[in-house]
Amino acid sequence: DAGVTQSPTHLIKTRGQHVTLRCSPISGHKSVSWYQQVLGQGPQFIFQYYEKEERGRGNFPDRFSARQFPNYSSELNVNALLLGDSALYLCASSPLVQGSEKLFFGSGTQLSVL
Amino acid sequence: LAKTTQPISMDSYEGQEVNITCSHNNIATNDYITWYQQFPSQGPRFIIQGYKTKVTNEVASLFIPADRKSSTLSLPRVSLSDTAVYYCLVGGSARQLTFGSGTQLTVLP
Repeated sequence: DAGVTQSPTHLIKTRGQHVTLRCSPISGHKSVSWYQQVLGQGPQFIFQYYEKEERGRGNFPDRFSARQFPNYSSELNVNALLLGDSALYLCASSPLVQGSEKLFFGSGTQLSVL
Repeated sequence: LAKTTQPISMDSYEGQEVNITCSHNNIATNDYITWYQQFPSQGPRFIIQGYKTKVTNEVASLFIPADRKSSTLSLPRVSLSDTAVYYCLVGGSARQLTFGSGTQLTVLP
């Protein structure tokens, strides 16, 4: 079975631009979560979606938005990019939204903002 | 949200057993304890999860005392490929889980 897939794997943008990152969950998983990981730190929670509805949001500005599609894939959008948005963006899927979630992560999208 | 504290780094030699302890004094009744492993430029990988006492799978054991205020990940007979960052998380759903800085385990030959 295919794991969580993310695209693109690498991306270079300039300040002020907009970016869209994509994630396809494991087949059968209805929950998708997004994380930002800055070099040297642990992943920080951005969003969780379940059945196309937002179920949680981390402490990120409104420049960050996301959505989940009927096939459970998801997009993360970041507007007005700042240098500080440079990070590894991780997507994780899970079969449950409650209880003890076991997260399956993709390999991430490495975003560089110049 | 429960917060965890774990050592920043640990060194070990190949073939040894490694124990990484995580403290989580404010763990809630419904919280589970989960450990992830992460290699550079990759997403974290689930290792093991437990609620109380002891859990064992093919790669690790997780020891949780009765008060659940700490937990210990045990990796038997580590190899060079076990060099990675290990994260201890407490919580239920993804929105409750907080990754700290993790423990950098370095396995030496």
